[in-house]
Amino acid sequence: QSVLTQPPSVSAAPGQKVTITCSGSSSNIGRNYVSWYQQVPGAAPKLLIYDNDKRSSGIPDRFSGSKSGTSATLGISGLQTGDESEYYCATWDSNLTPGFVFGTGTKVTVL
Amino acid sequence: EVQLVESGGGLLKPGGSLRLSCAASGFTFSRFSMTWVRQAPGKGLEWVSSINSNSAFIYYEDSVRGRFTISRDNANDSLFLQMDSLRVDDTAVYYCARCHFRSGYPSHFDYWGQGIQVTVS
Repeated sequence: QSVLTQPPSVSAAPGQKVTITCSGSSSNIGRNYVSWYQQVPGAAPKLLIYDNDKRSSGIPDRFSGSKSGTSATLGISGLQTGDESEYYCATWDSNLTPGFVFGTGTKVTVL
Repeated sequence: EVQLVESGGGLLKPGGSLRLSCAASGFTFSRFSMTWVRQAPGKGLEWVSSINSNSAFIYYEDSVRGRFTISRDNANDSLFLQMDSLRVDDTAVYYCARCHFRSGYPSHFDYWGQGIQVTVS
């Protein structure tokens, strides 16, 4: 069971915007940088966002990241059919047994 | 072009050992931290272990600490994961990835290999 909670799924029509929330705690999101990854089934994950809000090389500005307190958000605007994927947030957890943690994952469906 | 190619996966019985390798190219390997991430069938991503550029800082996920050993050979641009006392729940696709540290800890992974299957049954 991950310490980072994401909604199992979100959906919207092409051209619309979706937001994915990632809820954590003071030991993880509250004190460390958040990154976001996109994974198409059968393929390796791809880095979208790092350091909370910086887009990785080649990632269009339709993708945005933000962090507030113990939660982080990934926004995808101008939704395209190619955006249908699983999305994961991630961060370092500075708890008693520290380690890097991924979120539970969110399936984005383009209607 | 950054490339990461994993090898060494396979099918083995519980209690067995396996050594995964990751060959890196397209960047100065010795300057970057590296990591292993796995994904069990139908499940999400799970971080396994990270190592910084000079092997001074190494981190493990709780369930593999004491059974897995991460290492690197900067002279040959290679990353390794020695996996001992394998269990059925270690079955997964294992990815190597280039890693960035922030304040001494893994922060994000910007390039990933294609993954290698490890099946323990």
